[in-house]
Amino acid sequence: GNSVTQMEGPVTLSEEAFLTINCTYTATGYPSLFWYVQYPGEGLQLLLKATKADDKGSNKGFEATYRKETTSFHLEKGSVQVSDSAVYFCGKRDSNYQLIWGAGTKLIIKP
Amino acid sequence: NAGVTQTPKFRILKIGQSMTLQCTQDMNHNYMYWYRQDPGMGLKLIYYSVGAGITDKGEVPNGYNVSRSTTEDFPLRLELAAPSQTSVYFCASSSPRGGGSNQPQHFGDGTRLSIL
Repeated sequence: GNSVTQMEGPVTLSEEAFLTINCTYTATGYPSLFWYVQYPGEGLQLLLKATKADDKGSNKGFEATYRKETTSFHLEKGSVQVSDSAVYFCGKRDSNYQLIWGAGTKLIIKP
Repeated sequence: NAGVTQTPKFRILKIGQSMTLQCTQDMNHNYMYWYRQDPGMGLKLIYYSVGAGITDKGEVPNGYNVSRSTTEDFPLRLELAAPSQTSVYFCASSSPRGGGSNQPQHFGDGTRLSIL
């Protein structure tokens, strides 16, 4: 298959909690991997990316490591804020430059 | 730095009407995409283009048409609007630089379309 699977949401956490959003993919080879974030009423924005195995992408306190042995690209943040509430999408580059998207995970952070 | 611009932001159509969703980008990107996002769901690719004069169907092309006469513009046409086409539509673009495989997609803010 050719797919990206994310953990179902919504994920509800308290402020300053540790966040993990799981993402796994199927692929032949080593596609580039991406996390995008969608804030309410807006389009998607690139959050971070990794282009080869063992790469770690990071931005705004979020991190994700390209794990080829487990075909995973889990998103993590050590201490979430209310402003992190959004929908997070995992994606992998397809062979013809399209992105294969996960279904999205809604994150709700309570003060 | 406009990036990807979509118009209109909101629109209500009656069943059977037609309209064109506009998308333009000022980053000189070759690749452009149209997605729809249904409530609480992920993105589904409608059409994409790898350059002016070239378009290809995505996952859900039925009921839509596109054209790509210039690098900048990639309009999406609905000919006979149906309630099933109520959705949020996103246009995106990306660069082929370095082969394109590690280039991110840049998104517009979306067009919220309701068919009544």
